[in-house]
Amino acid sequence: DAKTTQPNSMESNEEEPVHLPCNHSTISGTDYIHWYRQLPSQGPEYVIHGLTSNVNNRMASLAIAEDRKSSTLILHRATLRDAAVYYCILLLSGNTGKLIFGQGTTLQVKP
Amino acid sequence: DTAVSQTPKYLVTQMGNDKSIKCEQNLGHDTMYWYKQDSKKFLKIMFSYNNKELIINETVPNRFSPKSPDKAHLNLHINSLELGDSAVYFCASSPRGWGPATQYFGPGTRLLVL
Repeated sequence: DAKTTQPNSMESNEEEPVHLPCNHSTISGTDYIHWYRQLPSQGPEYVIHGLTSNVNNRMASLAIAEDRKSSTLILHRATLRDAAVYYCILLLSGNTGKLIFGQGTTLQVKP
Repeated sequence: DTAVSQTPKYLVTQMGNDKSIKCEQNLGHDTMYWYKQDSKKFLKIMFSYNNKELIINETVPNRFSPKSPDKAHLNLHINSLELGDSAVYFCASSPRGWGPATQYFGPGTRLLVL
């Protein structure tokens, strides 16, 4: 299973952008990059995913490096409700769908 | 309506007992999963069913037995509960059991074995 590396924790101020990095140097051409987050006392929640091109949705943006060995999840304006553990996960296109969670990045948002 | 629901939300029981956790999804998805989150917050997949057929069975003690009566339900039965089974168990579903399909998680069942 392809491995990802994320910082253990990050801090942000409310209403400022947040850039959450993820390294995945062993990624293969068919691995999708997924981001999930887990708010306190809740189940994980899908945020965004991509393969090669940058992606935007209502929750966040995903910037993927040209060599695909790293990616960055961008929250454009952090709110207190964005405080969560953010997981960067690689998923093979032919995979059975199982998500391999790492330790994730705990994001703290300060008012 | 909750997309993925689990019952019970909390479960406190004695060692050696047998217990079940139920999961239901109303999203029309084909695939359902069970994950376990331990006290250190590590999330690990346990099982996956696609259209009532087992497709993932990670290294889980055979005291854990999933059952899928139909594709909207995936229940988890645990025999002879042990202290180490204390954890939060999450059910999830996705439209299909392959590829980059989004998974939708339930709220979790917090199991405490005394």
